[in-house]
Amino acid sequence: AAGVIQSPRHLIKEKRETATLKCYPIPRHDTVYWYQQGPGQDPQFLISFYEKMQSDKGSIPDRFSAQQFSDYHSELNMSSLELGDSALYFCASSLSGVDYGYTFGSGTRLTVV
Amino acid sequence: EDQVTQSPEALRLQEGESSSLNCSYTVSGLRGLFWYRQDPGKGPEFLFTLYSAGEEKEKERLKATLTKKESFLHITAPKPEDSATYLCAGANQAGTALIFGKGTTLSVSS
Repeated sequence: AAGVIQSPRHLIKEKRETATLKCYPIPRHDTVYWYQQGPGQDPQFLISFYEKMQSDKGSIPDRFSAQQFSDYHSELNMSSLELGDSALYFCASSLSGVDYGYTFGSGTRLTVV
Repeated sequence: EDQVTQSPEALRLQEGESSSLNCSYTVSGLRGLFWYRQDPGKGPEFLFTLYSAGEEKEKERLKATLTKKESFLHITAPKPEDSATYLCAGANQAGTALIFGKGTTLSVSS
């Protein structure tokens, strides 16, 4: 069965650089969520989209932005990277909200040096 | 403020030694309570969703239950392959986000 695809799997950036993370949801899933998980931490909700519109916003820094495109894939853009942005970034998708559960991707490990 | 608290933080069991993981929540208008399993460096893997107090769900050696304030994940006769971090999460009323607990890291030794 198709899963949530994230790319790249690993990314190394220097401070103050920009990074773009991509997420391809499960086919027919209309909702995408982004989470940030620091070392030894629980996943923290960043932002979600439903039918290409932002549906909710969590603890996402102003330096970050995201969007969902017409093909339902989503991109998380991160600018002016800081050391503290180093984390695993997970994307999850679902069909019409949370009721049927989220499916998470394998994540992108971002390291800022 | 919506919050999910899990205990214990870490649990070590011998193979076959049953136990329970606790998840207490204060999520306004809880839409659902989720359990996930996470292996190191991987994305959380969906286990269960519970929607109402009294509900129970089972999958192999795992059984999840829900009350009005807590959820329990019971592990019966665990095996070493059950070693992982188990995350509990509450869905907000709008269903737009999950609020995660910090997880319980389970280690099962043979």
